[in-house]
Amino acid sequence: DTEVTQTPKHLVMGMTNKKSLKCEQHMGHRAMYWYKQKAKKPPELMFVYSYEKLSINESVPSRFSPECPNSSLLNLHLHALQPEDSALYLCASSGRSWGVYEQYFGPGTRLTVT
Amino acid sequence: GNSVTQMEGPVTLSEEAFLTINCTYTATGYPSLFWYVQYPGEGLQLLLKATKADDKGSNKGFEATYRKETTSFHLEKGSVQVSDSAVYFCALTPSNTGNQFYFGTGTSLTVIP
Repeated sequence: DTEVTQTPKHLVMGMTNKKSLKCEQHMGHRAMYWYKQKAKKPPELMFVYSYEKLSINESVPSRFSPECPNSSLLNLHLHALQPEDSALYLCASSGRSWGVYEQYFGPGTRLTVT
Repeated sequence: GNSVTQMEGPVTLSEEAFLTINCTYTATGYPSLFWYVQYPGEGLQLLLKATKADDKGSNKGFEATYRKETTSFHLEKGSVQVSDSAVYFCALTPSNTGNQFYFGTGTSLTVIP
């Protein structure tokens, strides 16, 4: 099973709201990622967790706050977002398969900030 | 450094036409190479991969060969279908790390009946 799940599928929030995106994988992968993707553009890396520790933070504004409660779960807490933060947020995980690191993506959360 | 360059899109083809999407890369060592496909409203799906020179990855009629001498990993399909309409991303991961992935800019393909 190479499934990464994300909830919710769609989210509309105001600029003063607090919300969270959730991601889960059961492939035993020890690296998990958050990406932001605008239409017809490649995914932009936001955060990487490796063995449940934040290993890469691509200078993301503090209104985005990641959390990795355990090796299967990844959250992204959102607060005081701006309209330009509207995008598709993708979660991914990576692990080794037959000696090759592979990355698998979830279906994404479509976020609209009003 | 590590980077991936893809041909500019969008690409529009008639059904049953031959598809090539060019991808070249820059990397140290021996990266693994991937093609991902993203259908409208969905996440990226791993389409195929290759891990060493002259490897050919294939899936769903798509193929790509790892060419170290030309640092290329072009995606091909002999006869495209309307259902192949999507955005295609070329990607690599360097050989010396397991948690860094680099993506090309993506190529949008539209197949018309």
